[in-house]
Formats: sequence, C-alpha cells, structure tokens
Amino acid sequence: TQLLEQSPQFLSIQEGENLTVYCNSSSVFSSLQWYRQEPGEGPVLLVTVVTGGEVKKLKRLTFQFGDARKDSSLHITAAQPGDTGLYLCADYSSNTGKLIFGQGTTLQVKP
Amino acid sequence: NAGVMQNPRHLVRRRGQEARLRCSPMKGHSHVYWYRQLPEEGLKFMVYLQKENIIDESGMPKERFSAEFPKEGPSILRIQQVVRGDSAAYFCASSPPSAYYEQYFGPGTRLTVT
Repeated sequence: TQLLEQSPQFLSIQEGENLTVYCNSSSVFSSLQWYRQEPGEGPVLLVTVVTGGEVKKLKRLTFQFGDARKDSSLHITAAQPGDTGLYLCADYSSNTGKLIFGQGTTLQVKP
Repeated sequence: NAGVMQNPRHLVRRRGQEARLRCSPMKGHSHVYWYRQLPEEGLKFMVYLQKENIIDESGMPKERFSAEFPKEGPSILRIQQVVRGDSAAYFCASSPPSAYYEQYFGPGTRLTVT
C-alpha cells in the first residue's frame, strides 16, 4: 500500500516569509496533485504534475516534482494570511480511480 | 460553470437513523467519487461511480453503507443505522472524461451523529 508522508505537519509563520512543504511517497507517483483546504470547505485543486523534474508556478506558489517521481515540494514566496490552510498532496491510482492523500501540512500565516 | 454541489452541508442524525448525502457533479463530468475525512485519519477514498455503475467500492464499509449514481439525478451516499463513529466530513468529487486524475471536490457534508 502506497504511503504519502508530508512534512512538516504544522507550520506557523509571519506574513512575508517564504516556506517550503514536502511530500514523499513510498512508491513512484502515477500523477501528483496538490490541494489546499480551508476550514469547513472541500479541497481545492492547485496543480497536477506528471513528469519527473517538472516545475510549475502558480503566482507565488512553485511546485517541483522530483526526477524519480517519488517526491515533491511546494514553495510559497512572501506568504500572505490568505495562504492559510491545509495543504494536501495526493496520488492518483489508475487501477482504482482513487486519490491517495497524505496527512497534510497545516499552514498558518500571521499578519 | 458551477462546481460540485453537495447537500445538505450539515446533517445531524441520532444513532440508528439513516443519513442520505447528495452530490451533483460538475457539468460534463460523469465520474463521481466519495471520500470521508476524519481528523485523525485524513481524507480516505470510499467509492468510485459512473452513471448507473459502481466502479470501485474498496474503501466503503461492507455494512450499512451504499452508494449510487443513477442515470438521472445526483449521486447518493446512504448510511443506514448510523453510529457515533460515522460522524465525519463526507466529500464528493467529480472528474472530466479527459483527466480522471483531476478530481474537483464539493464543499462537503458534515455529519454529526448524536
């Protein structure tokens, strides 16, 4: 059974700081999704990465996919309070159609 | 394009009652997935459906839980004889035919069993 480990579990920073969160898999990712979830809401898809070494940018967010497709990172530049939330990585299982989620990183950005 | 819609957003049931959770996928999406989120367990897959077909239900408890996605109307997740341990947030997601791995989630139904 595939396991996704995310680190750190919790992160509390001041507005304007930079941060990086990580997602590591016990096996090769099929395709990796990053989501952000705010309290009381459903996860919102941020990005999908498929190719090893791929880098994608979404405004102040930079997503990197490891060459071996077993790890990924999300870097946020100049964090803002609106970035507060639970960041989840997930892998898609093409055999079953399901997403396997990591436990998430809870980010708090203080004004 | 409206997103995935779920109702009700909050549902309170007494032990032994039935809970019915509804999900309408995004327009053009024919694949629906149900997930459950518990604070100590994270988001876990329950069931994957297409219209009138259950594709994979490996994450769904064998007893008391059932799901359907009829030809017309929303997908329904049904929990019979609810117990306190069923209290959780239940999320529905849908995906487009061209990219099954891109699943878009609804706002969830928070079920509380008293």
